[in-house]
This record gives sequence, C-alpha cells and structure tokens, in this order.
Amino acid sequence: EPEVTQTPSHQVTQMGQEVILRCVPISNHLYFYWYRQILGQKVEFLVSFYNNEISEKSEIFDDQFSVERPDGSNFTLKIRSTKLEDSAMYFCASTRPPTSGGAPQETQYFGPGTRLLVL
Amino acid sequence: SQKIEQNSEALNIQEGKTATLTCNYTNYSPAYLQWYRQDPGRGPVFLLLIRENEKEKRKERLKVTFDTTLKQSLFHITASQPADSATYLCAPGHNFNKFYFGSGTKLNVKP
Repeated sequence: EPEVTQTPSHQVTQMGQEVILRCVPISNHLYFYWYRQILGQKVEFLVSFYNNEISEKSEIFDDQFSVERPDGSNFTLKIRSTKLEDSAMYFCASTRPPTSGGAPQETQYFGPGTRLLVL
Repeated sequence: SQKIEQNSEALNIQEGKTATLTCNYTNYSPAYLQWYRQDPGRGPVFLLLIRENEKEKRKERLKVTFDTTLKQSLFHITASQPADSATYLCAPGHNFNKFYFGSGTKLNVKP
C-alpha cells in the first residue's frame, strides 16, 4: 500500500540555521499538510497546500516558515532561522482525491515524521 | 476560539473490557469528526470518520457516536486487547483546509 515518506528521520541543527524537511506524499493525493508535535503535546496544524499554493495556515506558521512543491512528488517545509522552540516532531500528511469506495476523502495519511532538535 | 477536549488522564482497563473515550468540543460546528490512533514516535493513523448527520458508525471492534447537540463524540473499543494500547486523538473538521486535533487520551489495556 502506498505510504507518505519523510526525510530525514532525525535532524539536529544549531539555532539560527535553516532546515528543510522533505516529504513525498502519496502520488495521486491532492491536499498536503504539515503538522508539528512538541514532545508530550498535541499534534498542531501548521499549513495546508492545494493546487500549488497555501490553502490555509495557522498562527504558528509565521514568516520563518515556508512550503514548496518543487516537483511533482516532493513537498518541503523550510524553517529559515531555527529557534530552540522549533524542536519537535514534524509530520507531513496528505488526502486522496474523491473516488468511490474506500476510506473517506477527508482521511489524512501521515508520514513517519522528522524529529528536529535545535541546539 | 474553538476548543477540543479529551481526557488527559490515561485510561487503564483490563483486557476484554470495553474502553470508552470522550471528545468534547466548543465554539465549533464540525461537519464530521475523525478518530486517529497514535503510537509513541509515530504519525497518527486514521480509524473512523463520522459525519454530522450520522449518530453512530462501526468498524470491527470500534464504534463511534456523534452528538451535535451535546457537542460530543464517544469512541468505544470492545473486547479490548493489549495491542489496542495507544493514544487516541479526535479531530473535528468541516473542510480540507485545516484540521485540529485534540490532545489525545492514552489507553492502557492490561493483560
């Protein structure tokens, strides 16, 4: 069964450095999302992306964050100047196009996550 | 602003019993509500979705109810097994643009 993949699985960076987290959503999916989960806390919505543009973003997604779909398969999250509080697990997710049968269209398929540690 | 509440205390039950988890929401009128399972260090995995015009939805040992008057969803696992031990997240929603998750309830099923 197709899966969402994310790389790297772990990333350690120095405060102030830029990081790019990569995701390959399931190939025919239409909506793409980034979430973060600080250790021991809830999954927080960052941004949704549809038809090559941001659909919606949360208040967490400020100017230091950006997303891009540079080609037909990758979906990236860039953090320009990392802060200590950006340390978290970052999840990518996608939803499939409408088809008959199967899981509801609103079902989110999550990747395994990238654990980001900012020192 | 909308608020999603799940019992933050872990639910400890004996194998074979029914686990019931609660999700309450305020300042929100979702068109549907989803339940996900999350294991430590892993991404959430979709379990069930129930729409606002549905009272109950079942899938194998899982049952979800949705009361839009009470603004509450109940999630039941019957004949629970130790393998059901995980954190369960609810996520009310109404479109594809934004999804908010509750903080989750950790379920421990003891053999």
